[in-house]
Amino acid sequence: AQSVTQPDARVTVSEGASLQLRCKYSYSGTPYLFWYVQYPRQGLQLLLKYYSGDPVVQGVNGFEAEFIKSNSSFHLRKASVHWSDSAVYFCAVSAYTGNYKYVFGAGTRLKVIA
Amino acid sequence: GGIITQTPKFLIGQEGQKLTLKCQQNFNHDTMYWYRQDSGKGLRLIYYSITENDLQKGDLSEGYDASREKKSSFSLTVTSAQKNEMAVFLCASSIRGRAEVFFGKGTRLTVV
Repeated sequence: AQSVTQPDARVTVSEGASLQLRCKYSYSGTPYLFWYVQYPRQGLQLLLKYYSGDPVVQGVNGFEAEFIKSNSSFHLRKASVHWSDSAVYFCAVSAYTGNYKYVFGAGTRLKVIA
Repeated sequence: GGIITQTPKFLIGQEGQKLTLKCQQNFNHDTMYWYRQDSGKGLRLIYYSITENDLQKGDLSEGYDASREKKSSFSLTVTSAQKNEMAVFLCASSIRGRAEVFFGKGTRLTVV
């Protein structure tokens, strides 16, 4: 069975600082990996996705993530955060088992302070 | 582009009441999903529908019914609302056979 762990429920960083949000997954094969962001009172929006190929994937708004198979990780990074990045970030894994079904992590709430 | 519209945005019901949440998408996607979002627990799949006239149970289907009336719409019914069910319900859709899904803004359910 697939599972996703986001070990940090809350992260606070200063504006302009670098960011890493951690994600580890459990799946026997190579899954599809995603990061979604949820702003207040909004649905989830796709930040980036990994299907195959280059393990470092670029997303919107300067976000990137690196797939490390040996570590079963897919951490999200940003070089310099902005106050508008404050939101909840979800890591998700999906694999084809007749249809695609997502498993989501519990989410990390990011707060960017001045 | 397209949009997923969930109605209502806020739903207040009484304990034991039967409540229906609605979802419409104009992406022309085959597959639609209902997820429940609880604070600190991520999203959990309630029901999904691969194509029109199909219905599949997710991990959290007990206490819920779903209906795929047509390709563009997917409804979720809470059969008997309980106070511990207060959560945000998210509808999503995808192209059949594609991994990426698109989400609506959610319906926030409060049970009094």
